Amino acid sequence: ETGVTQSPTHLIKTRGQQVTLRCSSQSGHNTVSWYQQALGQGPQFIFQYYREEENGRGNFPPRFSGLQFPNYSSELNVNALELDDSALYLCASSRAGRGNTGELFFGEGSRLTVL
Amino acid sequence: GNSVTQMEGPVTLSEEAFLTINCTYTATGYPSLFWYVQYPGEGLQLLLKATKADVKGSNKGFEATYRKETTSFHLEKGSVQVSDSAVYFCALSEGGRGSTLGRLYFGRGTQLTVWP
Repeated sequence: ETGVTQSPTHLIKTRGQQVTLRCSSQSGHNTVSWYQQALGQGPQFIFQYYREEENGRGNFPPRFSGLQFPNYSSELNVNALELDDSALYLCASSRAGRGNTGELFFGEGSRLTVL
Repeated sequence: GNSVTQMEGPVTLSEEAFLTINCTYTATGYPSLFWYVQYPGEGLQLLLKATKADVKGSNKGFEATYRKETTSFHLEKGSVQVSDSAVYFCALSEGGRGSTLGRLYFGRGTQLTVWP
């Protein structure tokens, strides 16, 4: 069984630039969620994708956007980067359906540094 | 709304000591509760979970009991090892119809360091 994989693992950008982060969900999973984890903090929910549509969003501005593809992989795009966007970005997958308890399976994350 | 309050760290223990990390929650519905662990340089891994009140989740010697009356889900281990050094996160999922399936509410995390 293939777990959740993310790329790139590390990247450095400058203020105002745009970034795209990628995630492949675990085999058999159809839902992808993205989280932002600032240093020393718990992960914060950005949004979730199910059936290629956004299905729930946290308190993040519209410059955070995403996509889900037919193979359930996903992208997180952040425009007009700000210094405070520096964080570990975590992707998590799960399978929507009867009996799901909310357990998520996380990738190792993409660490973004904005200078 | 939904939120999780977690005991602040860091926590430093000697090997074989008893561990407790406190976690309390506020939820609008009937949530499922989780403990996730993050080892250095790795992503989050599920440690244990409980989906109903009075249920005890357990794994790798760690335990936590879902207490609805005290809205708590404290993590315990009778004898910690050096390899348990990590950051521990308490989290809740809303659950139920209409909830966002992939949304977990996390505490701030507790850094545990175990010395030999």
